Amino acid sequence: DAGVIQSPRHEVTEMGQEVTLRCKPISGHDYLFWYRQTMMRGLELLIYFNNNVPIDDSGMPEDRFSAKMPNASFSTLKIQPSEPRDSAVYFCASSPSWGRTEAFFGQGTRLTVV
Amino acid sequence: AQSVSQHNHHVILSEAASLELGCNYSYGGTVNLFWYVQYPGQHLQLLLKYFSGDPLVKGIKGFEAEFIKSKFSFNLRKPSVQWSDTAEYFCAASLRNFGNEKLTFGTGTRLTIIP
Repeated sequence: DAGVIQSPRHEVTEMGQEVTLRCKPISGHDYLFWYRQTMMRGLELLIYFNNNVPIDDSGMPEDRFSAKMPNASFSTLKIQPSEPRDSAVYFCASSPSWGRTEAFFGQGTRLTVV
Repeated sequence: AQSVSQHNHHVILSEAASLELGCNYSYGGTVNLFWYVQYPGQHLQLLLKYFSGDPLVKGIKGFEAEFIKSKFSFNLRKPSVQWSDTAEYFCAASLRNFGNEKLTFGTGTRLTIIP
């Protein structure tokens, strides 16, 4: 398996624009997580899905952020409109049935909003 | 609230020195514990994990960690570090309740090894 695949790897956009980050989890994994990493706040869990259903989105910073998982092999994280403070590295991770295994991380998307 | 604390923000060591990075968790219930490493510019990779059994867990690259339940700790150790161990290290924990778990990370410890 190729692991968790995220695209794009780097994104530079202007303030106010819509940004869509994409993630393909490892096949067969039931859980998918979106994390944001910044120098100031470290790694923050934004939202996670179980079997394509959002379970906990309490980490989503505000209504500008939304996440979907239309099927087991694809998820998106959308920011609309984007702001400079959204600049961060966004990681997607997936895991088999939770309980006795770890999460596997993608390479991340470095987002810069200017 | 569930939380994971890493008290060392930045550790600087010389090659061959011994390493111990602290991690404490605050959870009510049975926990899974992890250490992840993030090399510069890369994604997080698992170093080791603890679910149950022997509290001394051995991971990759000579790392080990000890689960001490009474202290709510899961410290990471390595007897002799190398320059290539320069990275950021994250402790993480999750509750072992099916369908109601999320992985919570500590703030990370940046490790710099001086040749």
